[in-house]
Amino acid sequence: SQTIHQWPATLVQPVGSPLSLECTVEGTSNPNLYWYRQAAGRGLQLLFYSVGIGQISSEVPQNLSASRPQDRQFILSSKKLLLSDSGFYLCAGSAGNTIYFGEGSWLTVV
Amino acid sequence: GQQLNQSPQSMFIQEGEDVSMNCTSSSIFNTWLWYKQDPGEGPVLLIALYKAGELTSNGRLTAQFGITRKDSFLNISASIPSDVGIYFCAGQLQVGTSGSRLTFGEGTQLTVNP
Repeated sequence: SQTIHQWPATLVQPVGSPLSLECTVEGTSNPNLYWYRQAAGRGLQLLFYSVGIGQISSEVPQNLSASRPQDRQFILSSKKLLLSDSGFYLCAGSAGNTIYFGEGSWLTVV
Repeated sequence: GQQLNQSPQSMFIQEGEDVSMNCTSSSIFNTWLWYKQDPGEGPVLLIALYKAGELTSNGRLTAQFGITRKDSFLNISASIPSDVGIYFCAGQLQVGTSGSRLTFGEGTQLTVNP
């Protein structure tokens, strides 16, 4: 089965600083990859998804961007963080009908 | 767009009791998934359902894919304290080459009193 690795686990960044969250997938090739944000332990909001290298679809307009430089690597970035970017970010991957999640990254923008 | 209604939003039960939660949708799905999330961690897949009418068990957990493809339920029998967490349903509809899109319910917060 596939395994999703996500880091860093926690991050405290000042407003206006850049962001990079990284996600890698093991156990499968050519997965679909996703970035979700979760507010207050409920409700997962899809931010980006990718069906292949260099192919990124954005679900909601926001201050974030995503990139997929390699088949099993998915990166969530920002050039200048806002306070409202704080939250719990989850990477997920699928090959077939089942989607698996990473352990999540807590981002606090101060 | 697609929406999932998950209920109840929260449950407070005694250890040993059975639990039931469900999700309904305004649209059909090809797959229903049930996840459990512990605090500060990512959701972990509990049960995946791929066929209308399918009934699947995983230990004390049982889930069913509704015949109409618009609903699913999850039952937990003989609850124990480690069942505490947030349970999410998710519906999946494969959309051509655009990837498998998941729609999540808002979650059911389960508290088990010993």
